[in-house]
Amino acid sequence: DADVTQTPRNRITKTGKRIMLECSQTKGHDRMYWYRQDPGLGLRLIYYSFDVKDINKGEISDGYSVSRQAQAKFSLSLESAIPNQTALYFCATSDLDSGSTDTQYFGPGTRLTVL
Amino acid sequence: SQQGEEDPQALSIQEGENATMNCSYKTSINNLQWYRQNSGRGLVHLILIRSNEREKHSGRLRVTLDTSKKSSSLLITASRAADTASYFCPSFNAGNNRKLIWGLGTSLAVNP
Repeated sequence: DADVTQTPRNRITKTGKRIMLECSQTKGHDRMYWYRQDPGLGLRLIYYSFDVKDINKGEISDGYSVSRQAQAKFSLSLESAIPNQTALYFCATSDLDSGSTDTQYFGPGTRLTVL
Repeated sequence: SQQGEEDPQALSIQEGENATMNCSYKTSINNLQWYRQNSGRGLVHLILIRSNEREKHSGRLRVTLDTSKKSSSLLITASRAADTASYFCPSFNAGNNRKLIWGLGTSLAVNP
């Protein structure tokens, strides 16, 4: 969905390097999420933000940090990358409307390889 | 453990056949959603069914929800090669956790 963009799309880095993945959205949604996807493990939530001042840890936040710079921007940092953080990372957005659906819109993903 | 559990984990059919995938969940929900993910791509929302609905249609998709059994099914009729993807059924509870709970998905292969 072009309304949610992620940069970079692919990244190869070395163990110990600091990496930042960026997400921008033009949907005007308040909620933003970072997930990682590994083969056989499905989607796992890293961090989520319900608005600019609200940041929450997901189920696998260790080794990651986030920054919600604006309603439209949510970045994910790996402070010191390690090989088991090699995965496909997705950003998503949603707007908890009056119908309480939380339908999510995903970016195209960032494939991260840590050597 | 995963809230949403899709079954089967993998399904292979011929083009033109119908594909049925099932999903179970553990706690009460406000809605259940189905998403498709083409290989290595982002997920795309397909259809949502609310807890007070029993069946919903969208094009070639038919979704059912049985809250007494905490289960849902997705039927894709007259499948096409382009339907080859992984399908996920996250559920949403506005009260407890206020976010989608994801399972591992069903991998569907539609052979031409």
